[in-house]
Amino acid sequence: KAGVTQTPRYLIKTRGQQVTLSCSPISGHRSVSWYQQTPGQGLQFLFEYFSETQRNKGNFPGRFSGRQFSNSRSEMNVSTLELGDSALYLCASSLAGMTAGNTIYFGEGSWLTVV
Amino acid sequence: QQQVKQSPQSLIVQKGGISIINCAYENTAFDYFPWYQQFPGKGPALLIAIRPDVSEKKEGRFTISFNKSAKQFSLHIMDSQPGDSATYFCAASRGGSEKLVFGKGTKLTVNP
Repeated sequence: KAGVTQTPRYLIKTRGQQVTLSCSPISGHRSVSWYQQTPGQGLQFLFEYFSETQRNKGNFPGRFSGRQFSNSRSEMNVSTLELGDSALYLCASSLAGMTAGNTIYFGEGSWLTVV
Repeated sequence: QQQVKQSPQSLIVQKGGISIINCAYENTAFDYFPWYQQFPGKGPALLIAIRPDVSEKKEGRFTISFNKSAKQFSLHIMDSQPGDSATYFCAASRGGSEKLVFGKGTKLTVNP
């Protein structure tokens, strides 16, 4: 069974540009979430999607957005990139059970460098 | 409060020793406490997890101890091996959500 797949793995963008990152969840998983990982702030929750609807959102500016498609795939977009957006962006998926113990699996991440 | 506080920031242990990482949380609504292991260049991988109705859970060399009244939980790695050298994150969530609140991480080095 394939894990959470993220593309691209590495990318370099210029300040002011926008970027789109893609995520394919584990087959059968209906919930997808995104995290930003930086050395200074650690792992921070961006947003969570279930059935194409945003279920939770973290404390990030509106430049960060996401969406989920009917096949559970997800994309996140960052517009007007800033140097501080350089980070590892992680996608995670789960079966979306609503009880405690919903195991969450992470992908390898997309390394974004903003120059 | 959504914080999860993790300590120590770094830990050096000799091969065969016991590694202990501690976490504390504030939000009593949290009902799921996983530990993740992350190697450089990789995404976090679930190691072991516990729910607050259990005080201890053991899987192989890894044990979670949970103290609900103190709002603390810890990871014990028995017989630590050089291959365990990685960064460990504790986390917490509630109600089956994928919104995990992570600790800042502990970089574990196991010397041969």
